[in-house]
Amino acid sequence: EVQLVQSGAEVKKPGESLKISCKASGYSFTSYWIGWVRQMPGKGLEWMGIIYPYDSDTRYSPSFQGQVTVSADKSITTAYLQWSSLKASDTAMYYCATFDYGPHSVDYWGQGTQVTVSS
Amino acid sequence: DVVVTQSPLSLPVTLGQPASISCRSSQSLEHSDGDTYLNWFHQRPGQSPRRLFSKVSDRGSGVPDRFSGSGSGTDFTLRISRVEAEDVGVYYCMQGTHWPPTFGQGTKVEIK
Repeated sequence: EVQLVQSGAEVKKPGESLKISCKASGYSFTSYWIGWVRQMPGKGLEWMGIIYPYDSDTRYSPSFQGQVTVSADKSITTAYLQWSSLKASDTAMYYCATFDYGPHSVDYWGQGTQVTVSS
Repeated sequence: DVVVTQSPLSLPVTLGQPASISCRSSQSLEHSDGDTYLNWFHQRPGQSPRRLFSKVSDRGSGVPDRFSGSGSGTDFTLRISRVEAEDVGVYYCMQGTHWPPTFGQGTKVEIK
């Protein structure tokens, strides 16, 4: 059974750094793209970036390029999303999700990590 | 980015009646490999999205057959033949043919 288990909710201050995680199990982690989706309060879904853990090939949505870093550690089948300096506008729910059919079609989703940035 | 437009954005439905959601893209979603990468997802309140269909009409595991996906090119449709109470929530289409993948705005389905 495929499972994506995300790290817990975070409350941070503006300017702080943060790294959230997504532990994958039940499939070949290095064979499928995995990525991150943002959902701001009461809003829709936005792709941020994806990574192919086999060779760490990473792609970012233009809206998020330079704003976040997507990474993966294949030794522990875990994907990460990190910020170097959070803003209040980063307050959102963040989901990890895996792709099938290359980087084209999404199947499994994590449970989500709530990030709140407030002074 | 490819713009994906859903309609309607709000859909009040009567239990047992059919429902239909439209999804249109600003560019053709037929990939050079011959497939069309259009997904449909259902998100219940407080839950993660769940995939209903991949590649337009490939039904996901456990998805009831009252749901169907159809379309081609730039025009796609999700249909529910008879709405049940568990079908409430927000439905999203997503194109994965062009980078970056983009979602429609979502259609909120509620029971009248």
